[in-house]
Amino acid sequence: DADVTQTPRNRITKTGKRIMLECSQTKGHDRMYWYRQDPGLGLRLIYYSFDVKDINKGEISDGYSVSRQAQAKFSLSLESAIPNQTALYFCATWADPGYTFGSGTRLTVV
Amino acid sequence: AQSVSQHNHHVILSEAASLELGCNYSYGGTVNLFWYVQYPGQHLQLLLKYFSGDPLVKGIKGFEAEFIKSKFSFNLRKPSVQWSDTAEYFCAVEGNPVYSTGKLIFGQGTTLQVKP
Repeated sequence: DADVTQTPRNRITKTGKRIMLECSQTKGHDRMYWYRQDPGLGLRLIYYSFDVKDINKGEISDGYSVSRQAQAKFSLSLESAIPNQTALYFCATWADPGYTFGSGTRLTVV
Repeated sequence: AQSVSQHNHHVILSEAASLELGCNYSYGGTVNLFWYVQYPGQHLQLLLKYFSGDPLVKGIKGFEAEFIKSKFSFNLRKPSVQWSDTAEYFCAVEGNPVYSTGKLIFGQGTTLQVKP
């Protein structure tokens, strides 16, 4: 089994819909992150969490919210999806020497 | 604000050619530096990292990178590329890492295409 699992792998949703992307990890790491990847822009940090009670905004948090349900679970929600949120979303955990990424969720908002 | 710039957006090489991908960052203090690779359809994987010490770091699959503090650069190199190196490469920086937060600033990525 993968260390960091993201569901769904692919999702097409309509503008205005609420959608949740889920992430779970088996590594026992406290720190979890959500990034989005856009062509030509690299990865940009949306939210991160150091533990269940510690949630922090990243550089592009507008339009997103998160929930850290347990040490192993960190969900990303789009309350009202818009087309410019079409992207590849990665969840990751952090421990030396660096990130362990999930396989990504490709989200298309139409 | 911190930023990372990767000079080459798309590089095409033949097998056995040498590779150098440029990465410059803007941050005045101490940094941790990373190179990640993303093979087609896969997630990012760590190639190598620099935290301190020898500025020439060696990573997996024959890659290495040199940290030049005076130039704010962390260029990635490989003497002889293979077709299997076809991927997207990301440079990333963590500023003020005394208390490491794991918050990385990524460059925009360089797509490497190796022709057999």
